[in-house]
Amino acid sequence: SQQGEEDPQALSIQEGENATMNCSYKTSINNLQWYRQNSGRGLVHLILIRSNEREKHSGRLRVTLDTSKKSSSLLITASRAADTASYFCATGVYNTDKLIFGTGTRLQVFP
Amino acid sequence: DSGVTQTPKHLITATGQRVTLRCSPRSGDLSVYWYQQSLDQGLQFLIQYYNGEERAKGNILERFSAQQFPDLHSELNLSSLELGDSALYFCASSGAGTGDEKLFFGSGTQLSVL
Repeated sequence: SQQGEEDPQALSIQEGENATMNCSYKTSINNLQWYRQNSGRGLVHLILIRSNEREKHSGRLRVTLDTSKKSSSLLITASRAADTASYFCATGVYNTDKLIFGTGTRLQVFP
Repeated sequence: DSGVTQTPKHLITATGQRVTLRCSPRSGDLSVYWYQQSLDQGLQFLIQYYNGEERAKGNILERFSAQQFPDLHSELNLSSLELGDSALYFCASSGAGTGDEKLFFGSGTQLSVL
């Protein structure tokens, strides 16, 4: 079964608004990563947060991790039409080399 | 361009057939991951190889097999194909294969089983 479940499944916003996506997972992790996929293309890595970190920033991206609740969130600030894509969280399963992906959030940003 | 090359980009075949998908990792990367993406199952982890050896296994069917060769390229073999095997198959690579690094994904092979 999928390690991560994402919420919401789909999100539509206007340009300039913030977009927040949430990810919940089931087991212990080494790290949690977020990836972006444009319409059927290969996934592109966005950001990695380690299990001992609580928050990380990269440009307009902010990721939080709460290991006690087994959850993470990705915030995209000041969204642009070019941010339209599917976003996936992926968990590095503790003590393994597996990277398991969630179900994804489809983000649509309208100009 | 991620530096990961997958061939072919598209593959159309019939049920019962066997196909081979090929992946060349980024230069210097030792680890290769295979994933299957379908509409109803999302992105499923199949298998991971590190420097020629199987490192981790996921939801890979017995009809599927993979290997990583000494030059580090990898092949995913799918046999006795069924309609439900139609999906986008991704290969990804990383340096150390520790599960603690980001992955670089290829553009995928779209498999259609008719």
